[in-house]
Amino acid sequence: DIVMTQSPDSLAVSLGERATINCQSSQSVLYNSNNKNYLGWYQQKPGQPPRLLIYWASTRESGVPDRFSGSGSGTDFTLTINGVQAEDVAVYYCQQYYNRPSMYPFGQGTKLEIK
Amino acid sequence: QVQFVQSGAEVKKPGASVKLSCRTSGYSFTSYAIHWLRQASGQGFEWVAWIDPANGAPTFSQKFQGRVTLSRDTSASTVYMELSRLTFEDTAAYYCARGPATGNFDHWGQGTLVTVSS
Repeated sequence: DIVMTQSPDSLAVSLGERATINCQSSQSVLYNSNNKNYLGWYQQKPGQPPRLLIYWASTRESGVPDRFSGSGSGTDFTLTINGVQAEDVAVYYCQQYYNRPSMYPFGQGTKLEIK
Repeated sequence: QVQFVQSGAEVKKPGASVKLSCRTSGYSFTSYAIHWLRQASGQGFEWVAWIDPANGAPTFSQKFQGRVTLSRDTSASTVYMELSRLTFEDTAAYYCARGPATGNFDHWGQGTLVTVSS
């Protein structure tokens, strides 16, 4: 089975500081034919469905603030929030789609809180 | 704007079936896959299946093969998922989501809570 592992499980950051969330895949999600990493990041606030933030590991979805950025390649990825705002309190998930159309595993989630 | 509206909460007994709906609007219904995912309380996401609205062809997670039926009504831009032989472990919020060719999920429904209880 493909396993996505996020770290940490939770983190507390002061307003205006940087938050860093890591995601590791048990297999590479880099597709050599197009040099794209098949990985996305989502934000889920309490009582809401997820919101797509990042796809292709580093492409910001339309409307997503530029304080959110994604990086990494192969098996190791990072979501960075520069200048955390109160409205960023949420659980963040990574998800890979390298094995589409029949497998779309998610990480277990990282809970972001304000210190 | 793109909108996904799901049917209301359900309470079912073990062994029963449940059929959920997902009504879409604001885009070309047949141009994007529709996926179903679920999330148990306080847990992460589990992908269930997807359907190509253009031809009705489904693809299932191995875990749910044989227990899930997908269908669609193109005139109503609506997709349906039926889950049979329910167990307590099927208690979760079920989401429909749009799947562009990239492979991620760019628009989501509000979720339908399915509770399996005796």
